[in-house]
Amino acid sequence: NAGVTQTPKFQVLKTGQSMTLQCAQDMNHEYMSWYRQDPGMGLRLIHYSVGAGITDQGEVPNGYNVSRSTTEDFPLRLLSAAPSQTSVYFCASLSFSGNTIYFGEGSWLTVV
Amino acid sequence: AQKVTQAQTEISVVEKEDVTLDCVYETRDTTYYLFWYKQPPSGELVFLIRRNSFDEQNEISGRYSWNFQKSTSSFNFTITASQVVDSAVYFCALSEQGTGNQFYFGTGTSLTVIP
Repeated sequence: NAGVTQTPKFQVLKTGQSMTLQCAQDMNHEYMSWYRQDPGMGLRLIHYSVGAGITDQGEVPNGYNVSRSTTEDFPLRLLSAAPSQTSVYFCASLSFSGNTIYFGEGSWLTVV
Repeated sequence: AQKVTQAQTEISVVEKEDVTLDCVYETRDTTYYLFWYKQPPSGELVFLIRRNSFDEQNEISGRYSWNFQKSTSSFNFTITASQVVDSAVYFCALSEQGTGNQFYFGTGTSLTVIP
């Protein structure tokens, strides 16, 4: 019963490097999303997807790319990491019929 | 405009005291859902409760209770007889049917229960 799995849990990047945060869910949920959590700002939506082949921007999409080639996977790509992207990232999935969002365990990213 | 407001940034209580976490939301939808999530020091986000806009019945689950009042757009969360393990950040969230079920989170309330 894995739920939402995201990797890596911790990562340190140098400014300008690129990387991909992986997210997979095994609940056949249509909706998946990425959030970043920063002190005092709650969770802010980066990108989301309502189904395979469909993605859209959230509140803070700049500097990030996503794709949804399968229902299960929703990777988040940092194209050229910046210190402002130091944050905790959460992947989440949602079944439209159930309307409860489930989160992965979080990925702590530091850009130096 | 902030759709979900948690005015209390930090709260400290002594163990066994009751504590209420406030949440005020803003929406024009008639169909929406409200949530509370707990984030303990380990960092994961734990789902606590979901209420839909058509059900204003208050709910009690063990030491937790929730007071949903549409008239004041509030969905407050009370912990009775608090324990040290309740120390966490608590997030209130809103999901509107009209915006494709996007979730809007408050900025969180950090609760510290002092032994």
